[in-house]
Amino acid sequence: EVQLQESGPGLVKPSQSLSLTCSVTGYSITSNYWGWIRKFPGNKMEWMGYISYSGSTSYNPSLKSRISITRDTSKNQFFLQLNSVTTEDTATYYCARYYYARFAYWGQGTLVTVSS
Amino acid sequence: DVVLTQTPPTLSATIGQSVSISCRSSQSLLHSNGNTYLNWLLQRPGQPPQLLIYLVSRLESGVPNRFSGSGSGTDFTLKISGVEAEDLGVYYCVQSTHAPYTFGAGTKLELK
Repeated sequence: EVQLQESGPGLVKPSQSLSLTCSVTGYSITSNYWGWIRKFPGNKMEWMGYISYSGSTSYNPSLKSRISITRDTSKNQFFLQLNSVTTEDTATYYCARYYYARFAYWGQGTLVTVSS
Repeated sequence: DVVLTQTPPTLSATIGQSVSISCRSSQSLLHSNGNTYLNWLLQRPGQPPQLLIYLVSRLESGVPNRFSGSGSGTDFTLKISGVEAEDLGVYYCVQSTHAPYTFGAGTKLELK
C-alpha cells in the first residue's frame, strides 16, 4: 500500500524558509508525479507544484520565485522548500501522488504556522 | 489560471437524501488528448482529502457507487444518491487539464 508522510517544523519565522519532507513507502518516486498542495485556514486549497518520475519540476507561477521541490531517490523522499515566508503561508501542507489523472494518495498533512 | 466555481458553498441534507454539487470552470477542461482532467475529492474533518471521482465520471476503487460524476467542457456535477453519515465533510473539484492545477472553493455537506 502506498503511504505518504509529511515531516518538518511546525513553526517558521517570517522571512525564513519553510522546509518539509515527504517520505513515501510502498511505491517508488521514480514513477508517477509527486506534489505539494496546501490548505489555508478556511477551505482554500492551492496546488504548489510537483516533481516528476524523471526529476523534472513544475511550479505554480504564483510561487515560482520562492519554491523548490527536490528529491532523494535513495531514501524515496521528496522535499519542499519555500523561501521568504510570510504569515500568509500559514497552512496545512500535504504531499500527494498524482498518476493517471488522479490525486489518489495523500499524506496526513502537516500544519505550518508562520509567526515570530 | 482556471477558476472553478463550486455551488452551493454549504449543503444541508438528511440521511438518505440525494444531493448534487456543481463545479463550473472558467474555461473548457477538455484536453487536446481528448481527456477531461476533473477530479472530485472529499475531505472529512481531521482527514486528508480522499479521491472519489476522476476523469469527470470514473469512480475510484473502493468508493461507494452512490457517488457519481457527470459533465463536460465547463460544467460538472457530483451527485450523492442517498447521503450517509460518513459522507459529511468538504467536497472539492480540482482540475489538472491546465497548469497551474486549481481547486474549487469547496462545498461543505452538513446534516440537516
